[in-house]
Amino acid sequence: GDSVTQMEGPVTLSEEAFLTINCTYTATGYPSLFWYVQYPGEGLQLLLKATKADDKGSNKGFEATYRKETTSFHLEKGSVQVSDSAVYFCALDMEYGNKLVFGAGTILRVKS
Amino acid sequence: DTEVTQTPKHLVMGMTNKKSLKCEQHMGHRAMYWYKQKAKKPPELMFVYSYEKLSINESVPSRFSPECPNSSLLNLHLHALQPEDSALYLCASSQDKPRGGWIYEQYFGPGTRLTVT
Repeated sequence: GDSVTQMEGPVTLSEEAFLTINCTYTATGYPSLFWYVQYPGEGLQLLLKATKADDKGSNKGFEATYRKETTSFHLEKGSVQVSDSAVYFCALDMEYGNKLVFGAGTILRVKS
Repeated sequence: DTEVTQTPKHLVMGMTNKKSLKCEQHMGHRAMYWYKQKAKKPPELMFVYSYEKLSINESVPSRFSPECPNSSLLNLHLHALQPEDSALYLCASSQDKPRGGWIYEQYFGPGTRLTVT
């Protein structure tokens, strides 16, 4: 079945460090890919998305590129802030059905 | 307005109680979802409504009973829950997708933190 694998956390960085959170997927068709962020005590917020190969999603300094050849959608940010501390979920959605498939989530902790 | 609201924010209930969770959106979305999220885990899909009809039930126990009274509202009725049902319950909504068509992102509410004692 369809699945998403994320790098295990927690990831601990100092403020202004470069961030990469790896995400790879397995899917039988052509999924759309998403990154969601969950701040402590809150629901999920859509961070960015990409709907086809080579698309780049970007928002709030975060970027991810849909790489079909490597089935990956790695999240990057050039300079993290303490306020970026949260749990990040990579997810895919297939063109059939209404069902998001989530990765396990990666905890990011940014220290000042 | 891209907001999904959920009430209550917190709920404590005994195993013999009956309670309801409410979710509302005014984005014109015709697909609405209930998820259960345990600590340090991703959300698990429970139910999907499409055009006010239940389209997916992920083998959820009958002590959870969803209801979609209109296109803006989604309820989750709770009865005879177990302590292991304690979790964050998230509601989400999206445009419904046509067959083999465009994929729309889901918008999540802040959740209801449920504790079963």
